[in-house]
Amino acid sequence: DAMVIQNPRYQVTQFGKPVTLSCSQTLNHNVMYWYQQKSSQAPKLLFHYYDKDFNNEADTPDNFQSRRPNTSFCFLDIRSPGLGDAAMYLCATSKDRVDTEAFFGQGTRLTVV
Amino acid sequence: SQQGEEDPQALSIQEGENATMNCSYKTSINNLQWYRQNSGRGLVHLILIRSNEREKHSGRLRVTLDTSKKSSSLLITASRAADTASYFCATGLHTGFQKLVFGTGTRLLVSP
Repeated sequence: DAMVIQNPRYQVTQFGKPVTLSCSQTLNHNVMYWYQQKSSQAPKLLFHYYDKDFNNEADTPDNFQSRRPNTSFCFLDIRSPGLGDAAMYLCATSKDRVDTEAFFGQGTRLTVV
Repeated sequence: SQQGEEDPQALSIQEGENATMNCSYKTSINNLQWYRQNSGRGLVHLILIRSNEREKHSGRLRVTLDTSKKSSSLLITASRAADTASYFCATGLHTGFQKLVFGTGTRLLVSP
Protein backbone atom coordinates (compact mmCIF):
# COMPACT_ATOMS: atom_id res chain seq x y z
CA ASP A 1 0.00 0.00 0.00
CA ALA A 2 2.97 2.30 -0.57
CA MET A 3 1.71 5.81 -1.31
CA VAL A 4 4.95 7.63 -2.04
CA ILE A 5 7.43 5.44 -3.85
CA GLN A 6 11.05 6.30 -4.47
CA ASN A 7 13.31 4.50 -6.85
CA PRO A 8 15.88 3.27 -6.50
CA ARG A 9 16.37 2.80 -2.73
CA TYR A 10 20.14 2.89 -3.20
CA GLN A 11 22.01 4.64 -5.99
CA VAL A 12 25.74 4.72 -6.60
CA THR A 13 27.01 7.24 -9.09
CA GLN A 14 30.39 8.45 -10.24
CA PHE A 15 31.73 11.86 -9.41
CA GLY A 16 30.46 14.27 -12.06
CA LYS A 17 28.12 11.78 -13.76
CA PRO A 18 24.52 12.99 -13.98
CA VAL A 19 22.03 11.02 -11.94
CA THR A 20 18.25 11.04 -11.70
CA LEU A 21 16.18 9.98 -8.72
CA SER A 22 12.49 9.32 -9.13
CA CYS A 23 9.40 9.63 -6.99
CA SER A 24 5.82 8.63 -7.66
CA GLN A 25 2.69 9.04 -5.60
CA THR A 26 -0.74 7.45 -5.56
CA LEU A 27 -2.30 10.07 -3.29
CA ASN A 28 -3.12 12.59 -6.03
CA HIS A 29 -1.59 15.31 -3.86
CA ASN A 30 -0.96 18.75 -5.29
CA VAL A 31 2.37 19.34 -3.61
CA MET A 32 5.56 17.35 -4.01
CA TYR A 33 8.78 18.10 -2.15
CA TRP A 34 12.40 17.03 -2.36
CA TYR A 35 14.48 17.00 0.81
CA GLN A 36 18.16 16.25 1.29
CA GLN A 37 19.22 14.58 4.52
CA LYS A 38 22.87 14.10 5.35
CA SER A 39 24.00 11.71 8.03
CA SER A 40 22.68 12.61 11.50
CA GLN A 41 21.27 15.89 10.20
CA ALA A 42 17.83 17.35 9.72
CA PRO A 43 16.08 16.98 6.37
CA LYS A 44 16.64 20.13 4.31
CA LEU A 45 14.14 21.30 1.73
CA LEU A 46 15.60 21.63 -1.78
CA PHE A 47 12.45 22.60 -3.70
CA HIS A 48 8.79 21.86 -4.08
CA TYR A 49 6.07 21.81 -6.70
CA TYR A 50 2.60 23.10 -6.17
CA ASP A 51 0.86 21.43 -9.08
CA LYS A 52 3.15 22.48 -11.96
CA ASP A 53 4.46 25.56 -10.22
CA PHE A 54 8.13 25.01 -9.29
CA ASN A 55 9.55 26.67 -6.17
CA ASN A 56 13.27 26.58 -5.54
CA GLU A 57 14.82 27.23 -2.15
CA ALA A 58 17.25 30.15 -2.23
CA ASP A 59 20.19 28.07 -1.04
CA THR A 60 19.62 25.05 -3.28
CA PRO A 61 22.68 24.66 -5.53
CA ASP A 62 22.18 25.04 -9.30
CA ASN A 63 23.49 21.51 -9.62
CA PHE A 64 20.08 20.29 -8.47
CA GLN A 65 17.13 20.38 -10.85
CA SER A 66 13.67 18.90 -10.78
CA ARG A 67 10.93 17.87 -13.19
CA ARG A 68 7.30 17.08 -12.61
CA PRO A 69 5.81 15.77 -15.86
CA ASN A 70 2.45 14.97 -14.27
CA THR A 71 0.71 14.85 -10.89
CA SER A 72 2.04 11.41 -10.03
CA PHE A 73 5.72 11.70 -10.83
CA CYS A 74 8.57 13.95 -9.80
CA PHE A 75 12.28 13.65 -10.60
CA LEU A 76 15.40 14.99 -8.97
CA ASP A 77 18.29 15.53 -11.37
CA ILE A 78 21.79 16.09 -10.07
CA ARG A 79 23.77 17.38 -13.03
CA SER A 80 27.31 16.88 -11.72
CA PRO A 81 27.32 15.06 -8.40
CA GLY A 82 30.11 15.88 -6.01
CA LEU A 83 31.24 13.95 -2.96
CA GLY A 84 29.32 16.43 -0.82
CA ASP A 85 26.05 15.44 -2.48
CA ALA A 86 26.13 11.98 -0.94
CA ALA A 87 23.01 11.88 1.20
CA MET A 88 19.55 10.45 1.64
CA TYR A 89 17.09 12.13 -0.71
CA LEU A 90 13.53 12.17 0.50
CA CYS A 91 10.46 12.82 -1.59
CA ALA A 92 7.29 13.92 0.14
CA THR A 93 3.78 14.98 -0.80
CA SER A 94 1.03 16.96 0.82
CA LYS A 95 -2.54 17.57 -0.15
CA ASP A 96 -2.20 21.32 -0.01
CA ARG A 97 0.28 24.02 0.78
CA VAL A 98 -0.84 25.02 4.25
CA ASP A 99 -1.61 23.33 7.53
CA THR A 100 -1.25 19.80 6.33
CA GLU A 101 0.87 16.75 7.03
CA ALA A 102 3.52 15.53 4.63
CA PHE A 103 3.78 11.93 3.43
CA PHE A 104 7.30 10.72 2.82
CA GLY A 105 8.75 8.03 0.63
CA GLN A 106 11.39 5.63 1.93
CA GLY A 107 14.17 7.70 0.46
CA THR A 108 17.02 7.09 -1.96
CA ARG A 109 20.46 6.84 -0.46
CA LEU A 110 22.94 8.31 -2.92
CA THR A 111 26.61 7.37 -2.83
CA VAL A 112 29.11 9.27 -4.96
CA VAL A 113 32.33 7.48 -5.80
CA SER B 1 19.53 28.19 9.68
CA GLN B 2 17.58 25.54 11.50
CA GLN B 3 14.30 26.51 12.99
CA GLY B 4 13.77 23.65 15.40
CA GLU B 5 16.06 22.13 17.93
CA GLU B 6 15.21 18.94 19.79
CA ASP B 7 16.33 18.08 23.26
CA PRO B 8 17.74 15.67 24.27
CA GLN B 9 19.76 14.59 21.25
CA ALA B 10 19.60 11.00 22.47
CA LEU B 11 17.40 9.20 24.97
CA SER B 12 17.69 5.64 26.25
CA ILE B 13 14.89 4.06 28.30
CA GLN B 14 13.38 0.70 29.21
CA GLU B 15 10.18 -0.69 27.75
CA GLY B 16 7.16 0.53 29.65
CA GLU B 17 8.73 3.84 30.63
CA ASN B 18 7.60 7.18 29.26
CA ALA B 19 9.75 9.18 26.86
CA THR B 20 9.65 12.95 26.66
CA MET B 21 11.26 14.95 23.90
CA ASN B 22 11.31 18.71 23.60
CA CYS B 23 11.50 21.03 20.65
CA SER B 24 12.31 24.72 20.64
CA TYR B 25 11.91 27.01 17.67
CA LYS B 26 12.69 30.59 16.77
CA THR B 27 10.00 32.27 14.69
CA SER B 28 6.22 32.41 14.48
CA ILE B 29 4.59 29.29 13.16
CA ASN B 30 1.32 28.09 11.70
CA ASN B 31 1.70 24.64 13.13
CA LEU B 32 4.22 22.23 14.56
CA GLN B 33 4.47 18.62 13.49
CA TRP B 34 6.25 15.60 14.87
CA TYR B 35 7.69 12.87 12.66
CA ARG B 36 9.37 9.54 13.32
CA GLN B 37 12.20 8.11 11.26
CA ASN B 38 13.37 4.54 11.54
CA SER B 39 17.01 4.04 10.69
CA GLY B 40 17.73 4.64 7.02
CA ARG B 41 14.10 5.12 6.06
CA GLY B 42 11.61 7.86 5.33
CA LEU B 43 9.76 9.97 7.84
CA VAL B 44 6.34 9.09 9.18
CA HIS B 45 3.97 11.81 10.32
CA LEU B 46 2.84 11.41 13.93
CA ILE B 47 0.85 14.47 14.89
CA LEU B 48 0.16 18.07 13.88
CA ILE B 49 -0.68 20.77 16.40
CA ARG B 50 -1.83 24.17 15.26
CA SER B 51 -0.58 27.43 16.74
CA ASN B 52 -3.92 28.05 18.47
CA GLU B 53 -3.90 24.63 20.16
CA ARG B 54 -2.15 23.83 23.43
CA GLU B 55 -2.35 20.05 23.64
CA LYS B 56 -3.17 17.13 21.40
CA HIS B 57 -3.38 13.38 21.88
CA SER B 58 -3.07 10.47 19.51
CA GLY B 59 -2.97 6.99 21.02
CA ARG B 60 0.11 6.83 23.26
CA LEU B 61 1.32 10.21 22.04
CA ARG B 62 0.72 13.52 23.74
CA VAL B 63 1.97 16.78 22.27
CA THR B 64 1.96 20.16 23.93
CA LEU B 65 2.67 23.53 22.38
CA ASP B 66 3.61 26.72 24.19
CA THR B 67 3.81 29.52 21.65
CA SER B 68 4.87 32.06 24.27
CA LYS B 69 7.98 29.99 24.98
CA LYS B 70 8.27 28.79 21.38
CA SER B 71 8.48 25.21 22.52
CA SER B 72 6.74 21.88 22.15
CA SER B 73 7.03 18.52 23.82
CA LEU B 74 6.25 15.00 22.65
CA LEU B 75 5.42 12.41 25.29
CA ILE B 76 5.31 8.73 24.39
CA THR B 77 3.69 6.74 27.16
CA ALA B 78 4.34 3.07 27.93
CA SER B 79 7.10 2.87 25.36
CA ARG B 80 7.82 -0.26 23.33
CA ALA B 81 10.95 -1.52 21.63
CA ALA B 82 9.24 -0.71 18.33
CA ASP B 83 9.27 2.98 19.29
CA THR B 84 13.05 2.99 18.80
CA ALA B 85 13.63 5.64 16.13
CA SER B 86 14.63 9.24 15.60
CA TYR B 87 11.95 11.82 16.31
CA PHE B 88 11.89 15.16 14.55
CA CYS B 89 9.84 18.24 15.12
CA ALA B 90 9.04 20.33 12.08
CA THR B 91 7.66 23.80 12.19
CA GLY B 92 5.18 24.84 9.56
CA LEU B 93 6.13 28.36 8.56
CA HIS B 94 3.62 30.37 6.66
CA THR B 95 5.67 31.87 3.86
CA GLY B 96 3.01 31.72 1.17
CA PHE B 97 3.09 28.01 1.64
CA GLN B 98 3.72 25.73 4.54
CA LYS B 99 7.46 25.28 4.55
CA LEU B 100 8.38 22.50 6.96
CA VAL B 101 11.67 23.20 8.69
CA PHE B 102 13.02 20.22 10.59
CA GLY B 103 15.07 20.12 13.75
CA THR B 104 18.05 17.83 14.29
CA GLY B 105 16.01 15.13 15.97
CA THR B 106 16.07 13.02 19.13
CA ARG B 107 17.35 9.45 18.83
CA LEU B 108 15.23 7.27 21.09
CA LEU B 109 16.35 3.80 22.11
CA VAL B 110 13.84 1.61 23.95
CA SER B 111 15.36 -1.52 25.41
CA PRO B 112 13.26 -4.64 26.08
